[in-house]
Amino acid sequence: AQSVTQLDSQVPVFEEAPVELRCNYSSSVSVYLFWYVQYPNQGLQLLLKYLSGSTLVKGINGFEAEFNKSQTSFHLRKPSVHISDTAEYFCAVRDTGGFKTIFGAGTRLFVKA
Amino acid sequence: DAGVIQSPRHEVTEMGQEVTLRCKPISGHNSLFWYRQTMMRGLELLIYFNNNVPIDDSGMPEDRFSAKMPNASFSTLKIQPSEPRDSAVYFCASSLDRVYEQYFGPGTRLTVT
Repeated sequence: AQSVTQLDSQVPVFEEAPVELRCNYSSSVSVYLFWYVQYPNQGLQLLLKYLSGSTLVKGINGFEAEFNKSQTSFHLRKPSVHISDTAEYFCAVRDTGGFKTIFGAGTRLFVKA
Repeated sequence: DAGVIQSPRHEVTEMGQEVTLRCKPISGHNSLFWYRQTMMRGLELLIYFNNNVPIDDSGMPEDRFSAKMPNASFSTLKIQPSEPRDSAVYFCASSLDRVYEQYFGPGTRLTVT
């Protein structure tokens, strides 16, 4: 069975500073990896996904993530955050042969002026 | 495309009452998921439909919960009788088999008093 651990429940950061949200997963099979963002009172929306190929994945809103198979990690990064990036971010994993997507507990990003 | 549509957006009901949540997936999507989100338990998969057929309902907490998908464009999640511990945000999501990410609706915030 897969599992996802988001290592930080909350990350405060100043506007225009870089940020990294950490995600580790465990699985005995090949996986697809995702980052979703949830703004207040909204559903989750996809930021980016890793299916195969290049381990550096670029997503919307200037976010990117790097798949590290040896460390079973998929950390999310942004070089310069905006106030509007304040939201909850979920890392998720799905095995390549299945349908069930396992979500992490979420990391709440606070961007301060 | 209008995205995944859920109704109602908010529901307040008294313990013991029946609650029905509705979902219209994105046209053409053949997979539908119902999730429950709470602070304590995070995002939990309740049930998964593929081509209108329930594939995995192992996440449905009790017999009080039931879900149907009578056609490709409509699904319901019913709680009967409702209890205060059912208070949560319920999300519906849809996807297409060859596209791996899920598209979430805005959610229904259920409060059972």
